[in-house]
Amino acid sequence: DGGITQSPKYLFRKEGQNVTLSCEQNLNHDAMYWYRQDPGQGLRLIYYSQIVNDFQKGDIAEGYSVSREKKESFPLTVTSAQKNPTAFYLCASSPPRRRYTEAFFGQGTRLTVV
Amino acid sequence: AQRVTQPEKLLSVFKGAPVELKCNYSYSGSPELFWYVQYSRQRLQLLLRHISRESIKGFTADLNKGETSFHLKKPFAQEEDSAMYYCALWHPNAGGTSYGKLTFGQGTILTVHP
Repeated sequence: DGGITQSPKYLFRKEGQNVTLSCEQNLNHDAMYWYRQDPGQGLRLIYYSQIVNDFQKGDIAEGYSVSREKKESFPLTVTSAQKNPTAFYLCASSPPRRRYTEAFFGQGTRLTVV
Repeated sequence: AQRVTQPEKLLSVFKGAPVELKCNYSYSGSPELFWYVQYSRQRLQLLLRHISRESIKGFTADLNKGETSFHLKKPFAQEEDSAMYYCALWHPNAGGTSYGKLTFGQGTILTVHP
């Protein structure tokens, strides 16, 4: 079953702890993205990667880190430096650039800081 | 800088009524615009893209470069149209590469009442 998988679905973290969200895809897509979804603010881009071993900051990268060691995987670490980490996180991927390429989304991870 | 604005956070209509979800963009280049939809408990997914000039589930969207708008319309709303709708703009990275990123608006929650 092809697709993009995020895990876990729900995650609880204590203040001051780092936590890593998983994103895996078996669609052979080059590009992968991390978005944060907050009520009233829509989707905001955290980081994105176009190819293995390369990634760029999005609009709200502070307090987050990523790696892209494999084409299939793009984990996101929420560090203790992120001031307001409680949110819904969405991972997406898209194939090599073609005109008007579609992005495919995972089901999301809801992170709660307790 | 590129920007996507959806002025309505919430939109309520009755079944059978026309519906229009507004989207305005700011972008210096030639825009590539999309509408994504997120139904309850489902993944965010592509609804339509402006280049296709297609009608999906009765929805259409016309790009108006003069007004920098890409409003989503449906003449007769159905209860199953209730969802979160996002307008998105694809723009390439600087330097003329084929890579780029999607910028989303704040989203509009559409509720269709019976």
